[in-house]
Amino acid sequence: KAGVTQTPRYLIKTRGQQVTLSCSPISGHRSVSWYQQTPGQGLQFLFEYFSETQRNKGNFPGRFSGRQFSNSRSEMNVSTLELGDSALYLCASSLREKAFFGQGTRLTVV
Amino acid sequence: AQRVTQPEKLLSVFKGAPVELKCNYSYSGSPELFWYVQYSRQRLQLLLRHISRESIKGFTADLNKGETSFHLKKPFAQEEDSAMYYCALHLSNFGNEKLTFGTGTRLTIIP
Repeated sequence: KAGVTQTPRYLIKTRGQQVTLSCSPISGHRSVSWYQQTPGQGLQFLFEYFSETQRNKGNFPGRFSGRQFSNSRSEMNVSTLELGDSALYLCASSLREKAFFGQGTRLTVV
Repeated sequence: AQRVTQPEKLLSVFKGAPVELKCNYSYSGSPELFWYVQYSRQRLQLLLRHISRESIKGFTADLNKGETSFHLKKPFAQEEDSAMYYCALHLSNFGNEKLTFGTGTRLTIIP
């Protein structure tokens, strides 16, 4: 079985731009979650999608949004990028309580 | 609200010495707790879960409900144990699934 795939692996954007990250879950997994990983804050939960519906949302501003498609693939969008958005963004697909992570997208905002 | 606390950001231990990575949680219900590990240049992966009471790579973790702790232990550290470790609390509420992570502990094994 292929693992969780995230694209792109690396991104460099300037302040004020917007960005879209993509995540393809493991086949058969309907739950997809997104996390932001930074050295200072660790892993912070962004949101979780299940069957195209957002079920959970973390404490992030409205600039962070996401969606899930009928094939369970998910995208995350960040608008009006700020320097503090520089981080590794991880996607995880889940079957019940077990989460499987992608390798992440490293976003650098300059 | 649920919370996971890992008080040590950094932990250095000599090879062969015992390791204990601390994790405390706050949650009013019955918790499901996990340890995840991230080795250098690898993806975050599940190490062990409290419900299975297993030992993985020599690591064990016991859930102590009285102390609301789920510390990760290994009697003899090995160099390959150097990694970032995250404690996580899983919640399932009417189908809503959420993993809450601690801020992580970077473990360095000194040869």
